[in-house]
Amino acid sequence: AQSVTQLDSHVSVSEGTPVLLRCNYSSSYSPSLFWYVQHPNKGLQLLLKYTSAATLVKGINGFEAEFKKSETSFHLTKPSAHMSDAAEYFCVVTDAILTGGGNKLTFGTGTQLKVEL
Amino acid sequence: DAGVTQSPTHLIKTRGQQVTLRCSPKSGHDTVSWYQQALGQGPQFIFQYYEEEERQRGNFPDRFSGHQFPNYSSELNVNALLLGDSALYLCASSPGLRTGYEQYFGPGTRLTVT
Repeated sequence: AQSVTQLDSHVSVSEGTPVLLRCNYSSSYSPSLFWYVQHPNKGLQLLLKYTSAATLVKGINGFEAEFKKSETSFHLTKPSAHMSDAAEYFCVVTDAILTGGGNKLTFGTGTQLKVEL
Repeated sequence: DAGVTQSPTHLIKTRGQQVTLRCSPKSGHDTVSWYQQALGQGPQFIFQYYEEEERQRGNFPDRFSGHQFPNYSSELNVNALLLGDSALYLCASSPGLRTGYEQYFGPGTRLTVT
């Protein structure tokens, strides 16, 4: 089965410092991986996606993630946090081989990012 | 270009009742998926519709059913509501079933069962 593990339920950083949100996945040969962000009382917004092209993926708002197959990881980073980055972040996996086609998304449990002045 | 829309925004029901939630996909999208997000948890996949057929289903009981219409809009029906069905129900659309296609999410319907 496909699954993701978000290693930290809460992360707190100071504004202007780097952000690291960790994610490990379990899947087959060719997973697609995503990071979504959810601000309070807002819908889910896609930050970035990996679909077997370049392993370093750049997304919106300065976020990026690196797909490391040997470590089964897809950690999300940002060089400098901004107050507006405070939100819930979800690591997501999908794998057509395991799902028999279709693009069912499997979400992690989320990481709450807090940004302090 | 309208994104994914859902109605209603909020809903309060009593145990044992039935509820219908509605979703209109983003323009140009033909695939609709439904997810349940309980408080403090990540969304859980309920089912996915393509060409008016249920293509995939998550680990949800038969009380959860759906439908997709020729215009690609979709409904989620839940019968015999339980307190545990209280959650945010999210609809997502994509331009097909391929795994590389990103899914666009609507704002959700907040269902409270009392």
